Amino acid sequence: GAVVSQHPSRVICKSGTSVKIECRSLDFQATTMFWYRQFPKQSLMLMATSNEGSKATYEQGVEKDKFLINHASLTLSTLTVTSAHPEDSSFYICSVKTSGGTDTQYFGPGTRLTVL
Amino acid sequence: AQSVTQLDSHVSVSEGTPVLLRCNYSSSYSPSLFWYVQHPNKGLQLLLKYTSAATLVKGINGFEAEFKKSETSFHLTKPSAHMSDAAEYFCVVSDRYYKLSFGAGTTVTVRA
Repeated sequence: GAVVSQHPSRVICKSGTSVKIECRSLDFQATTMFWYRQFPKQSLMLMATSNEGSKATYEQGVEKDKFLINHASLTLSTLTVTSAHPEDSSFYICSVKTSGGTDTQYFGPGTRLTVL
Repeated sequence: AQSVTQLDSHVSVSEGTPVLLRCNYSSSYSPSLFWYVQHPNKGLQLLLKYTSAATLVKGINGFEAEFKKSETSFHLTKPSAHMSDAAEYFCVVSDRYYKLSFGAGTTVTVRA
């Protein structure tokens, strides 16, 4: 399967600051990446679909101005949490979809965000 | 629309005994179904995938799942649990646009 990395693995920030999370596909080119968030003891919820070279598609209820997604290359997508607040504290996970007709997604190790 | 229901939030088994994790799905078309495992503070690892080929799917680490269309089920089994199987397991369905819908998860604990 594909190898996906995320950076940083953990981040702690003050309320009101912005945090950028990187998702990299290490061994293939990904035209589509996905961003999820996972609250403690809960399942993953899809936030947005990130398409290389075009605007991201956000799920209902996800604020696009708060969660900025940039997919500038075939191996990198970034999620920026702007003006973070304690309720944004969560585990953020990205995934990549391999090309072609397959719908298998490979997940990064996740980023634990804590907003004080 | 599609959805997944994992029937057990927590399963506890003794080491060496079988494991059964139950999953029912709802989908408006022929779905792709997955089982993923998540160890604490880790990303998700694909265990196995069903894509309309054989209804009995074999995955990694001795896991397998059987797709039953008549019952809309995709239960995950393993004949003999190992301590390293303790983790969170997610049943997942994919739609035609490759968006994944996750079940609520089943926590597996393995007793020595």
